[in-house]
Amino acid sequence: AQSVTQLGSHVSVSEGALVLLRCNYSSSVPPYLFWYVQYPNQGLQLLLKYTTGATLVKGINGFEAEFKKSETSFHLTKPSAHMSDAAEYFCAVSGSARQLTFGSGTQLTVLP
Amino acid sequence: DSGVTQTPKHLITATGQRVTLRCSPRSGDLSVYWYQQSLDQGLQFLIQYYNGEERAKGNILERFSAQQFPDLHSELNLSSLELGDSALYFCASSAGTGVEKLFFGSGTQLSVL
Repeated sequence: AQSVTQLGSHVSVSEGALVLLRCNYSSSVPPYLFWYVQYPNQGLQLLLKYTTGATLVKGINGFEAEFKKSETSFHLTKPSAHMSDAAEYFCAVSGSARQLTFGSGTQLTVLP
Repeated sequence: DSGVTQTPKHLITATGQRVTLRCSPRSGDLSVYWYQQSLDQGLQFLIQYYNGEERAKGNILERFSAQQFPDLHSELNLSSLELGDSALYFCASSAGTGVEKLFFGSGTQLSVL
């Protein structure tokens, strides 16, 4: 079985501040891990993914995430938040079933 | 624009009715996935088709069915609708059978009254 826990359903940061969105996973096999972003009235867009290789993964719009096997975590970060980053962010895992299991999402608000 | 087209964007219907949601994948993509997004259940995988064949099944109710046609578009049929079926239904596509890169449509918002 595979599952994802996103800590914090709502996160607020000031513009220019660090963004940190937390994701922990469980998987019975080496996982593939993903972060997706959903802007209002739009579908999900892939931000970044980890499959194999380098554990620090860089994505679009300045986001990155680090796969930490010992902590079963895949937290998403961005050094400096921009107003356009306001959206809902979903962490997802693909385990033995090789299907995506999504977390419950984190709504990011960026304050001016 | 992801290249995945879903119609209609909004659908309002009554309990007990049947509706069909349509999805056209990105050009060249052979896999189509259906997901349901609701406030209480979050994003749930329903079903995957690859080149016309059912590939994987998730939390899809027996009242729901899907198919993928020779031109690769897919339809999700929801019948005997209940209030709890109100949700945003997403279609996604990928080139192969894996989930490494999915492209999502903008969804169909279904309201069951």
